[in-house]
Amino acid sequence: GAVVSQHPSWVICKSGTSVKIECRSLDFQATTMFWYRQFPKQSLMLMATSNEGSKATYEQGVEKDKFLINHASLTLSTLTVTSAHPEDSSFYICSARDRASVTAYNEQFFGPGTRLTVL
Amino acid sequence: LAKTTQPISMDSYEGQEVNITCSHNNIATNDYITWYQQFPSQGPRFIIQGYKTKVTNEVASLFIPADRKSSTLSLPRVSLSDTAVYYCLVGPRATNAGKSTFGDGTTLTVKP
Repeated sequence: GAVVSQHPSWVICKSGTSVKIECRSLDFQATTMFWYRQFPKQSLMLMATSNEGSKATYEQGVEKDKFLINHASLTLSTLTVTSAHPEDSSFYICSARDRASVTAYNEQFFGPGTRLTVL
Repeated sequence: LAKTTQPISMDSYEGQEVNITCSHNNIATNDYITWYQQFPSQGPRFIIQGYKTKVTNEVASLFIPADRKSSTLSLPRVSLSDTAVYYCLVGPRATNAGKSTFGDGTTLTVKP
């Protein structure tokens, strides 16, 4: 149980185009999903917190107009990188919190990540 | 959130026990300690979580002294497949599900 998927697993795009990444909780409902970015040999950096049915909360320094987040259902959140540039190339990872386990032992489940390369 | 400090890297050999220590001097009363494992190009995977004393599961043990200012992840008899980056996170349980500040992590390299 508690599986989180991401699609696509990797994507290559041209500079200036927009890329959408999906994050799905497969066997549980997630009221909250999180988006992280990770550059090579660096740690994960939280970009934003996505709550179902409401606007995402972005971390300081993350451009909300560039990284559009939509959490339209309890099992799906999307991250759209608009007008992508080479410096946006990174590993994007989502995680989800199980709605049913507010006090569960492990409350955060991570997706496998999406490798974005902008040419 | 409490800041954590871990060794940047550690080397070990197959079959040995590995102990990775994390310092969290500013840990708050309601903070829990959670450890994650990450392989290259994969999302982090939960290993273990604890509040005090000792916690053990099928893959690891977590030792937390009485002052809770540090914690030690213990991996028994490591294998080559345990080569990964290990992260220690500290925060309230609800916050551990998000707004978690990942530190630099410890890169463990297991050699044959």
